[in-house]
Amino acid sequence: GAVVSQHPSRVICKSGTSVKIECRSLDFQATTMFWYRQFPKQSLMLMATSNEGSKATYEQGVEKDKFLINHASLTLSTLTVTSAHPEDSSFYICSASPGQLTYNEQFFGPGTRLTVL
Amino acid sequence: GNSVTQMEGPVTLSEEAFLTINCTYTATGYPSLFWYVQYPGEGLQLLLKATKADDKGSNKGFEATYRKETTSFHLEKGSVQVSDSAVYFCALSERYSTLTFGKGTMLLVSP
Repeated sequence: GAVVSQHPSRVICKSGTSVKIECRSLDFQATTMFWYRQFPKQSLMLMATSNEGSKATYEQGVEKDKFLINHASLTLSTLTVTSAHPEDSSFYICSASPGQLTYNEQFFGPGTRLTVL
Repeated sequence: GNSVTQMEGPVTLSEEAFLTINCTYTATGYPSLFWYVQYPGEGLQLLLKATKADDKGSNKGFEATYRKETTSFHLEKGSVQVSDSAVYFCALSERYSTLTFGKGTMLLVSP
């Protein structure tokens, strides 16, 4: 149980294009989903927290117009990187929590490797 | 604010050696503590957790004990395998807050 999937696992795009990454909780309802970014050999950086049906809460320094997050249902959240540039190349990981209280644990997706040429 | 400090890696061991990865934390309340493992090219997997002082989390031969008096949650394994090579993240979560991760410790196990 508690499986989270991400799609695609890898994406290569040209500079200036937009890329959408999907995060799905497969066997539970995720009231809260999280998006992280991980640079090579570094820890995870929380980008934003989203609750189903609400606007995402972005961490300081994360451009909300560039990283659009939609959490339209209890099993799906999407991250759209708009007008991507090479500096947006990174490993993006989502996680999902069964309840609004993030007290217990988050279940992580396998990650999406984005390369912007 | 909350913070997690892990020993820097890489930690390089031979197969069957004893492993310790140190983790200490700072928190304002009474957090839950976690160890996550990340294999190359993959996302994070929960390895073990402990939710209160003196709890011991264990999984796949790994153990960690929640030590409130020393604010520590050190990860140990008695005999590592090549397949344990990965990056290990210590993390904490307090009620109503998100996960706070350490910087990660890479473990390399050679045959």
